[in-house]
Parts: sequence; C-alpha cells; structure tokens
Amino acid sequence: EVQLVESGGGLVQSGGSLRLSCAASGFTFSSYWMTWVRQAPGKGLEWVANIKRDGSDKYYVDSVKGRFTISRDNAKNSLYLQMNSLRDEDTAVYYCAKYDSAGYYPHYWGQGTLVIVSS
Amino acid sequence: DIQMTQSPSSLSASVGDRVTITCRASQGIRNNLAWFQQKPGKAPKSLIYAASSLESGVPSKFSGSGSGTDFTLTITSLQPEDFATYYCQQHHSYPLTFGGGTKVEIK
Repeated sequence: EVQLVESGGGLVQSGGSLRLSCAASGFTFSSYWMTWVRQAPGKGLEWVANIKRDGSDKYYVDSVKGRFTISRDNAKNSLYLQMNSLRDEDTAVYYCAKYDSAGYYPHYWGQGTLVIVSS
Repeated sequence: DIQMTQSPSSLSASVGDRVTITCRASQGIRNNLAWFQQKPGKAPKSLIYAASSLESGVPSKFSGSGSGTDFTLTITSLQPEDFATYYCQQHHSYPLTFGGGTKVEIK
C-alpha cells in the first residue's frame, strides 16, 4: 500500500526556516517524480515544486524560487522541502504527492502538514 | 504562465443530478489535464488523467472530456459522497497550474 507521510510543519516566525519531510513507502520511490503542493487556509491548490526521479531536475513556482529547495534521498525513501525566508503568505497545508509512472500528474497524495508563518 | 479558469466556482445540486464542471486553459495544453476531488480536511484524490482517462478505482459516473483549451468533468447520478470541491490541473508546461476549484454542494 502506498503511503506518504509528511512531517516538519509548525509555527514559525516570518523570515524563519522550516524543513518539511515526506516519508514514502509501498512503492519504488526512486522510480517516481515527486511534488509539493500547498493550500492556504480556505483557498485552492497551488503547485510549489517538482523533482525528477534521480533529483537531477527541479522546478519551482516563481513565488518560492530562491527561498525553497526541493530534494530527495532515494536511499531513505524521503522527499524534502527546505523553506527559508518564510513569509506570511507561505502559511498553508503542504502536501507531498507521488506522480504517476509516466511522470504526468500527481497520482497519490499524502495527508499534508500545516505550516503557519506568523509575523 | 498558463491560467486555468474553472466554472462555476460553486454549484448546488440534488442527489441523483448530473453536473458538469468546465475548465478552460489560457492556451492550448493538448490533453495534459487532470481532475482531482477534495473533501473537507482531506487530501486531494485523483479522478481523471490525460483529460479523459479514468483513474483506477474511480467509479464510471465520473468522466472527463476535452482537448486543447476547453475541458469538462461530468458527474452523473450525484451521491452524498460526491459533494466535494473539484480541481483541474494542467501539466503541459511549468509552472504547473490549478483551476480555482468548483465546490459542489447539496441543494
């Protein structure tokens, strides 16, 4: 059974840093693109970042470029999101998701971890 | 960036109704579109990929159509468990973008 379990969320001051983790199990982690998607309270979904199977390619939404870094450790079956220079508008539930085998769309999602940035 | 416009933003429907949700892309995305269902407090769940392919395990009451810029998600015979918010997402080019969502509520 596929499982994605996010952790690392919490309350952080504006300008601070946080590292989110996503522990994957039930599938061959290294064979799949992975993604982070966020959802501000009461708002819609916003794509944040993608990472290729081997970590060689990474893509970001403009609003987090230079502040967030997506990474993965295939030996540990884990996905990460390092978030620096956090802003109030980064407050959201952050979901990690596994792509389909072809790498086209987020096929399976974790339950999310809440990040609250307080000024 | 490709803008994804969903309509309506919300709708009220009765059990047994058929509903159609529209998603329009600001430029052609071929069939690079997925649909997701999200219930309150839960993670999104994929329903449709490649615009019209049904995700494994998803009931056939859900169907998707379209190509290029105009897409639809249709739900037939609406049941209580279908009341949720639905999102489209294009994966044609970066940055990936979602529609604003359509909340399907009970009339």
